[in-house]
Amino acid sequence: EVQLVETGGGLVQPGRSLKLSCVASGFTFSSYWMYWIRQAPGKGLEWVSSINTDGGSTYYPDSVKGRFTISRDNAENTVYLQMNSLRSEDTATYYCAKTGLNYWGQGVMVTVSS
Amino acid sequence: DVVLTQTPPTLSATIGQSVSISCRSSQSLLHSNGNTYLNWLLQRPGQPPQLLIYLVSRLESGVPNRFSGSGSGTDFTLKISGVEAEDLGVYYCVQSTHAPLTFGSGTKLEIK
Repeated sequence: EVQLVETGGGLVQPGRSLKLSCVASGFTFSSYWMYWIRQAPGKGLEWVSSINTDGGSTYYPDSVKGRFTISRDNAENTVYLQMNSLRSEDTATYYCAKTGLNYWGQGVMVTVSS
Repeated sequence: DVVLTQTPPTLSATIGQSVSISCRSSQSLLHSNGNTYLNWLLQRPGQPPQLLIYLVSRLESGVPNRFSGSGSGTDFTLKISGVEAEDLGVYYCVQSTHAPLTFGSGTKLEIK
């Protein structure tokens, strides 16, 4: 059974940092690109980051570029999202998803507030 | 970036009614490899999105066959043939033909 389990969310002050983790199981993790996708409260879905199979290529929208960093550890079947200089508009549920979008984690809430 | 325009934004249906959702793209989603990477997702209340349809019309494993997808180029449609109570939620189209990944704004299906 495929599982994606995100951890690391919580309440953080503006300007601070947070690191999300997503542990994958049930599929050959190292063979797939992975995404982070977020959803602000009551809003739609927004792509946040992508990473290729070996972690050598990463992609971001302008809204997070320079502040967020995606990485992966294929030995640990884990993808990470390091979020720095957080802003109130980063408040959202963050999902990791496998390329193809056929598997999603349950999501982790990140609240940026003073 | 590719803009996906979904209509209608909300939909109210009775059990057994058939409904359709439209997704129009700002540019063709036909990839140079011949595939069209247009998917449909359903997000039930309080749940993560789940994949219903991929590559325009292919039904994801385990998804009831009352769901069907069609279209090409820039115009796509999701049809539910005989709405059931469990179908309530927000439906999103999403494309991955052109980077970056982009989503439609969603269609909320309510059950009358």
